[in-house]
Amino acid sequence: GAVVSQHPSWVICKSGTSVKIECRSLDFQATTMFWYRQFPKKSLMLMATSNEGSKATYEQGVEKDKFLINHASLTLSTLTVTSAHPEDSSFYICSAPRGAGNYNEQFFGPGTRLTVL
Amino acid sequence: AQSVAQPEDQVNVAEGNPLTVKCTYSVSGNPYLFWYVQYPNRGLQFLLKYITGDNLVKGSYGFEAEFNKSQTSFHLKKPSALVSDSALYFCAVRDQAGGGNKLTFGTGTQLKVEL
Repeated sequence: GAVVSQHPSWVICKSGTSVKIECRSLDFQATTMFWYRQFPKKSLMLMATSNEGSKATYEQGVEKDKFLINHASLTLSTLTVTSAHPEDSSFYICSAPRGAGNYNEQFFGPGTRLTVL
Repeated sequence: AQSVAQPEDQVNVAEGNPLTVKCTYSVSGNPYLFWYVQYPNRGLQFLLKYITGDNLVKGSYGFEAEFNKSQTSFHLKKPSALVSDSALYFCAVRDQAGGGNKLTFGTGTQLKVEL
């Protein structure tokens, strides 16, 4: 099946610093990628839709200035957590649908564990 | 807005027994439903989807799901559970309003299969 990678797999940073997380589709092109945040009680929350060549679409309640998304190419989307604080500590997961159809399965990255001290 | 509910935080089953992980949905139009599985510290893996057609959908690793329109349910099933099936399972529904592939997930059900 298709492969989506994320880097880094885990990161620890100090409060106030910025952290960049990369999401790559390794064997297919993705004009759209999705960024999720998974909370300790397991639920996945969609943060934003990353669109290649245009601005990301953020879900209600997600601060676009804090969570910067850049879809630089058809295989790469980045999420930058700016001025991170301990409450931003979480498991961040990206996904990408393969193909142009509306019902295609999404392929998920392995996730990035962010810990802000 | 669409939503899915997974009423059980955890399901325990003995190896070799059948398993069911429950999911109910709420959508305004035709539902497009998915099941994903997550192993510890891993991303989600696709199991199966229902778009249209037969109500019984077969997926990966011997899993299947039954779409029931009258009960607005899409329960995940497997005739004989394996210890290796122990994982976190998510039901999801595609966002119809926005188009594209945006998914809304349930809260997840932890499946534990014991010897």
